[in-house]
Amino acid sequence: GAVVSQHPSWVICKSGTSVKIECRSLDFQATTMFWYRQFPKQSLMLMATSNEGSKATYEQGVEKDKFLINHASLTLSTLTVTSAHPEDSSFYICSARERLTRTGNQPQHFGDGTRLSIL
Amino acid sequence: GEDVEQSLFLSVREGDSSVINCTYTDSSSTYLYWYKQEPGAGLQLLTYIFSNMDMKQDQRLTVLLNKKDKHLSLRIADTQTGDSAIYFCAESTGGGNKLTFGTGTQLKVEL
Repeated sequence: GAVVSQHPSWVICKSGTSVKIECRSLDFQATTMFWYRQFPKQSLMLMATSNEGSKATYEQGVEKDKFLINHASLTLSTLTVTSAHPEDSSFYICSARERLTRTGNQPQHFGDGTRLSIL
Repeated sequence: GEDVEQSLFLSVREGDSSVINCTYTDSSSTYLYWYKQEPGAGLQLLTYIFSNMDMKQDQRLTVLLNKKDKHLSLRIADTQTGDSAIYFCAESTGGGNKLTFGTGTQLKVEL
C-alpha cells in the first residue's frame, strides 16, 4: 500500500517552457502533499506544502509565481515550473501523506521523482 | 535551528553490519524516520521510531534512539549489495507537519 506515482520521470525542454509535474496517491487519500527539490549529492529541500482544497504554503526563498502548485483533489497535486530556465534544472520529488491521526504520525510516502533538464 | 547531520559515506563488506548515524537538534521531534534512496529514484520509507522509544527492530533493521544526546542510528544486519544506496534520517518538525532531512549517508557494500 501507500503508493505515490510521479509523472513524468524525466523531462528535457528548452528555456522558457513551462513544465507540469503530476503527483498521485494511488491507494490512499492524501490530504497533504509536499514538493521537494534535490540537487546532486545533496539532501531534499522542502519547497512547499499543499493541503487539498487550499493554497500551498511555500518555504522561504521559493517563488510561488515560479512554482505553481495545485492540489485540486485528494489524490492529485501538480507542480508547474513556469518559464523554466537552466537554473531550474533539478530533481523534483513529491510526497503524500494521509490525514494526521491523534498521535500525529502519518509517514510521508514519496514518488520516484522527476528529473528536469532545461537547455 | 533544525540541522540534521549525518556522515557522508560508509563502506562495508557484504555480510557485515552497517551502522549509519544521525544527530538532530529539535528536541520536540515526535517521530524520527529512516529513508532509503537508490540512484535516480525517490525515497523509500524504511522504518521510524517514536521519540519515547529507545529501540525498534524490524527484520534486519535496528533503530537506536538516544534522546538525551539527540542521536539516532540505523543498523543493517547482514548487509547485502542491494543495500547500497543513500540513507536519510529525518525528524518531524513543525508540530509533526514537516520533515527535516539529514544530509544523507551513501552506503557502499563491497563484495
